[in-house]
Amino acid sequence: QSALTQPASVSGSPGQSITISCTGASSDVGGYNHVSWYQQHPGKAPKLMIYDVSNRPSGVSTRFSGSKSGNTASLTISGLQAEDEADYYCSSYTSSSTLFGGGTKLTVL
Amino acid sequence: EVQLVQSGAEVKKPGESLKISCKGSGYTFTNYWIGWVRQMPGKGLEWMGIIYPGDSDTKYSPSFQGQVSMSADKSISTAYLQWSSLKASDTAMYYCARRSGGILVEWGQGTLVTVSS
Repeated sequence: QSALTQPASVSGSPGQSITISCTGASSDVGGYNHVSWYQQHPGKAPKLMIYDVSNRPSGVSTRFSGSKSGNTASLTISGLQAEDEADYYCSSYTSSSTLFGGGTKLTVL
Repeated sequence: EVQLVQSGAEVKKPGESLKISCKGSGYTFTNYWIGWVRQMPGKGLEWMGIIYPGDSDTKYSPSFQGQVSMSADKSISTAYLQWSSLKASDTAMYYCARRSGGILVEWGQGTLVTVSS
């Protein structure tokens, strides 16, 4: 199975909102609600930010939200802060595997 | 608190064998799948496969089938990732993660494997 498709990079100014897309297929993103998003700062392990499309784990800022339409999931970060600058990966569970997106580098200008 | 603690960095030569570990605590180790994820230098996350410590059932990504071996020792709440003959292309950071309901909830800190002659 191919990796999920994410933009290589996005950027925004502090206080703005950005959205990162994650496009898959009906056999993964479109077929399951187990879409999750991970944040990874340089030299650190990934951290779960969104699970099951739109749920936030305890402790994750409400500025992070997720959604899905058809075969595309999205992560929106509102009120951008400098600390949000990181790599973001989407992931989709399937019946036989787990797929990751290629990752999106978020730059806070 | 759920924790996954991985073994330390390794430097190996091509052709050598290696086994890295991931010790879980703060939850019932045998009740959750452990996934392994590779991250090559400067690259993204790659799914390698998962193991269920309760019965050692394993599912490998086709890309890693035959290249690595996953195992678990439930008596010490530890999962392992093993290579029989390392290649330079195995140089990467390797993460373990606890899977719950299809989600990789908690991650280990990573083990850096460097393979160089």
